[in-house]
Amino acid sequence: KQEVTQIPAALSVPEGENLVLNCSFTDSAIYNLQWFRQDPGKGLTSLLLIQSSQREQTSGRLNASLDKSSGRSTLYIAASQPGDSATYLCAVGSGSARQLTFGSGTQLTVLP
Amino acid sequence: SAVISQKPSRDICQRGTSLTIQCQVDSQVTMMFWYRQQPGQSLTLIATANQGSEATYESGFVIDKFPISRPNLTFSTLTVSNMSPEDSSIYLCSVAGKTGPYNEQFFGPGTRLTVL
Repeated sequence: KQEVTQIPAALSVPEGENLVLNCSFTDSAIYNLQWFRQDPGKGLTSLLLIQSSQREQTSGRLNASLDKSSGRSTLYIAASQPGDSATYLCAVGSGSARQLTFGSGTQLTVLP
Repeated sequence: SAVISQKPSRDICQRGTSLTIQCQVDSQVTMMFWYRQQPGQSLTLIATANQGSEATYESGFVIDKFPISRPNLTFSTLTVSNMSPEDSSIYLCSVAGKTGPYNEQFFGPGTRLTVL
């Protein structure tokens, strides 16, 4: 059974800092890995999708990497802003329906 | 990306009753999923909604408690039956991109359910 772990559970940084969120998974037989953002009381916003054959994806100030063999992914956020404050969720796609298994999330607070 | 709507957005229900949640997508999609997010927790997959056949349920979830319909490629419903306070959660539907299961999953805004 796939298990996904995210470290740290919570992170507070001053505005402008670069930061890294970590995600690890137990079964390397994945099809893809997706990073989401969830604001309080809201649904999920997809940030980045990495296919299993890829090593990284970039979107604006976000960069996600994937090391499938070691079961790890990182989300790098450059020049953080208060608007980046949210919970960040890592999810791996596996199984016959490519269903997602989620980590417990990292709650990020960027202080002005 | 797909635009997904859910109805209702929130509800407060009495113990023992049932609630049906609707999920509508603006385009035909291959895969639709239902997730539950209990208070302070991450998301757990309830089932995969299959068009034209019975849903595929994850361990710990059963059809009698969470019946699902998917009559076409743009619509699905999840019913939470015989509710108890433990069913208080956010219920989210998601879809995989219409070009195939390898594409991104997109989520609806969720239905916040409180059971008294």
